[in-house]
Amino acid sequence: EAQVTQNPRYLITVTGKKLTVTCSQNMNHEYMSWYRQDPGLGLRQIYYSMNVEVTDKGDVPEGYKVSRKEKRNFPLILESPSPNQTSLYFCASSLSGDKNIQYFGAGTRLSVL
Amino acid sequence: RKEVEQDPGPFNVPEGATVAFNCTYSNSASQSFFWYRQDCRKEPKLLMSVYSSGNEDGRFTAQLNRASQYISLLIRDSKLSDSATYLCVVNLRYNFNKFYFGSGTKLNVKP
Repeated sequence: EAQVTQNPRYLITVTGKKLTVTCSQNMNHEYMSWYRQDPGLGLRQIYYSMNVEVTDKGDVPEGYKVSRKEKRNFPLILESPSPNQTSLYFCASSLSGDKNIQYFGAGTRLSVL
Repeated sequence: RKEVEQDPGPFNVPEGATVAFNCTYSNSASQSFFWYRQDCRKEPKLLMSVYSSGNEDGRFTAQLNRASQYISLLIRDSKLSDSATYLCVVNLRYNFNKFYFGSGTKLNVKP
């Protein structure tokens, strides 16, 4: 089954404790992206990757890191989480950017205390 | 100024009604346009892409007006299962890898 898998689905952590949210897709997609969703603000793009070892900033990259060492995986790293990073996070993938359909993971709900 | 603006609603309509949403975008260099559907706090799923000539998929019709910089979604014969939030999405000609989402329009279809 074609899918985008995020883990964990729910996470409560404390300020400053490094964490990683994993994202994996099994569709051999080149493009992957991370978004955060906050009430009234919609989805905002954090980082995206056009292919292995090729990443770029979205609109809200501050406080986040990503890596793309393999085509299927695109982890999101919060080196020192802060309460303003409490949000619902989605990973997405598509064949390429542009007109292609994005397939989303089920989301990770993160609370930073 | 937001790249994409939507009326948050909610739109409360009876089953069988026809409902229309608009979405305005600020950048004339916007290239590709989409409507996604999101059920309560679940992942967004593509409803339809929006083409310059307009397109239809069953009860759903999407249109693009480049001159006025808006896209629209028309839902005919609303079903209870259409209740969701509808997200408008655009990307730009000069960086089609960046996507801009509207904050969504909530639709409630009632019996």
